[in-house]
Amino acid sequence: GENVEQHPSTLSVQEGDSAVIKCTYSDSASNYFPWYKQELGKGPQLIIDIRSNVGEKKDQRIAVTLNKTAKHFSLHITETQPEDSAVYFCAASDTGGGADGLTFGKGTHLIIQP
Amino acid sequence: KAGVTQTPRYLIKTRGQQVTLSCSPISGHRSVSWYQQTPGQGLQFLFEYFSETQRNKGNFPGRFSGRQFSNSRSEMNVSTLELGDSALYLCASSLRGGLETQYFGPGTRLLVL
Repeated sequence: GENVEQHPSTLSVQEGDSAVIKCTYSDSASNYFPWYKQELGKGPQLIIDIRSNVGEKKDQRIAVTLNKTAKHFSLHITETQPEDSAVYFCAASDTGGGADGLTFGKGTHLIIQP
Repeated sequence: KAGVTQTPRYLIKTRGQQVTLSCSPISGHRSVSWYQQTPGQGLQFLFEYFSETQRNKGNFPGRFSGRQFSNSRSEMNVSTLELGDSALYLCASSLRGGLETQYFGPGTRLLVL
């Protein structure tokens, strides 16, 4: 089955700086890669996703890049703000949640320092 | 539209008991997936239901089961609870599954004593 590795496990950045979280996956058949943000006491919230026919996608301060050859994808958050502090999860699936559901990374605890 | 709702939000059970958790998907969504979240194992896929049929299943023992009703609401059941079943159980819904975006509920936190 799919295996997703996520790094770093904890990331502390100064407010206003950029944050980058990286994930690698093992199954070359995977073609859907969402990123979720989870705040304390809440369920994961989708922040951005990318499908395998696209190399990069942006939504305001958030961007995701995908390198299918190297089997890795990254989340970039620019101009970080205190409300960006949360745990971020990457995930991969070969049918967007089909055969094995979403396979998640272990998460990155992002801390925005004021 | 209202989001995914899960009941109850918190639950305390003892070993050997069974538990039933409920999930109401976003209106119009027909696919419901269940995940278990623990500090050690992270988020793990349990199973997916679509049109009242289990379409996919993760690597969990048979003590974990589920069902889906004609209105797309879903329940999951865990029988003969073990201490290791303590976790946050998350439900996610999507229109049809597949490459559709999954939207998560707030979860049910289960503590097994």
